[in-house]
Amino acid sequence: SQKIEQNSEALNIQEGKTATLTCNYTNYSPAYLQWYRQDPGRGPVFLLLIRENEKEKRKERLKVTFDTTLKQSLFHITASQPADSATYLCASPRRDAGNMLTFGGGTRLMVKP
Amino acid sequence: GAGVSQSPSNKVTEKGKDVELRCDPISGHTALYWYRQSLGQGLEFLIYFQGNSAPDKSGLPSDRFSAERTGGSVSTLTIQRTQQEDSAVYLCASSLGRHDWGYTFGSGTRLTVV
Repeated sequence: SQKIEQNSEALNIQEGKTATLTCNYTNYSPAYLQWYRQDPGRGPVFLLLIRENEKEKRKERLKVTFDTTLKQSLFHITASQPADSATYLCASPRRDAGNMLTFGGGTRLMVKP
Repeated sequence: GAGVSQSPSNKVTEKGKDVELRCDPISGHTALYWYRQSLGQGLEFLIYFQGNSAPDKSGLPSDRFSAERTGGSVSTLTIQRTQQEDSAVYLCASSLGRHDWGYTFGSGTRLTVV
């Protein structure tokens, strides 16, 4: 069955550094991947979408890559700030239903001042 | 409205009681989704509505769970005879329904079954 996985361990980095989060998928080839941010007590907020034919997508300090050979997406936050501290989720469409998303378990990012 | 609205934000219920959770999606969004998130866990898909099509109920964990969407807008998720394992945050999201459009989530309903 299709799987989408993220590192469940929290990522702790120093303010100003680049944070890199990983999303791996197995047993399928999604047409696109999405990334969301979730703060405690809130629903996820959509950040970026990257399609399989796009190597890289940028939005302000955010950058997402999509490597179909490695079956992996990387999510980068450059010049990280304490306000970037949150859980970040990747999601891919279900193979049998393109509009519905399957979410990874999320990676918690902590940016220390 | 400006966003997806869910009510109540918190619900504590006794085991065996029925509960109804409400979701008011963004106006014009044809697709509506229900997920649940247990403490420290990822999002588990429950049910999906798209326009006037029959809903995809493949994620509902048991026949105690049901959902409806009236008039293509507001949706209600009903859990009958609640069990302690039903305790979770229930999240609703809506989207334009295009296959590559991001979801807009509500803040969720935290359900606690005691």
